[in-house]
Amino acid sequence: QVQLVQSGAEVKKPGASVKISCKASGYTFTSYYMHWVRQAPGQGLQWVGVINPSGGSTVYAQKLQDRLSMTRDTSTSTFYMELSSLRSEDTALYYCARDRSKDGYADTFDYWGQGTLVTVSS
Amino acid sequence: SSELTQDPAVSVALGQTVRITCQGDSLRSYYATWYQQKPGQAPILVIYGKNNRPSGIPDRFSGSSSGNTASLTITGAQAEDEADYYCNSRDSSGIHVVFGGGTKLTVL
Repeated sequence: QVQLVQSGAEVKKPGASVKISCKASGYTFTSYYMHWVRQAPGQGLQWVGVINPSGGSTVYAQKLQDRLSMTRDTSTSTFYMELSSLRSEDTALYYCARDRSKDGYADTFDYWGQGTLVTVSS
Repeated sequence: SSELTQDPAVSVALGQTVRITCQGDSLRSYYATWYQQKPGQAPILVIYGKNNRPSGIPDRFSGSSSGNTASLTITGAQAEDEADYYCNSRDSSGIHVVFGGGTKLTVL
């Protein structure tokens, strides 16, 4: 069965960076794009970006692209999302979510990780 | 601000039918996808494409689209359907993904 297991909660100071992981299992790692979605406390869902697990190419949300880096490690079937120059408004639950499409990426996320809470506070 | 607009809250009597809408210019070109999120849980996929349900989603959930508006209909709402519902699709560029602001559904 498909499983996405994310790393644990992080507390960071403003200006720092955070790198969170999402370990995938139960399917062919290189066949499905992976998205990241975040949700600030009490707020809605916000798309962060997507990565092609095969070639590593990425597309980022415009407002985050200067501070964001998504990578993957095919040897361990793990995705990573790193956000730098953290601000209080980056405090959110960050989800990895698999794209259902096998060819390119769509906007249909069929499996989600459990979420990683990132808290930015001085 | 979101390029997809949803009503913040909708209510429905138990067993009745409710429609949750999502509006945006990009919906003239792309289908909306719908997710259900209950408190403390990750979202789950409920409708995608023209009107497709993943395995395990009850057939009381259906999707439709007209012009710039996509709709999620729950026919015979149940207490367990009380949740937040989000639509998403591509933005006007066709490159980025965008979510609606979400609709909180209350089952009375």
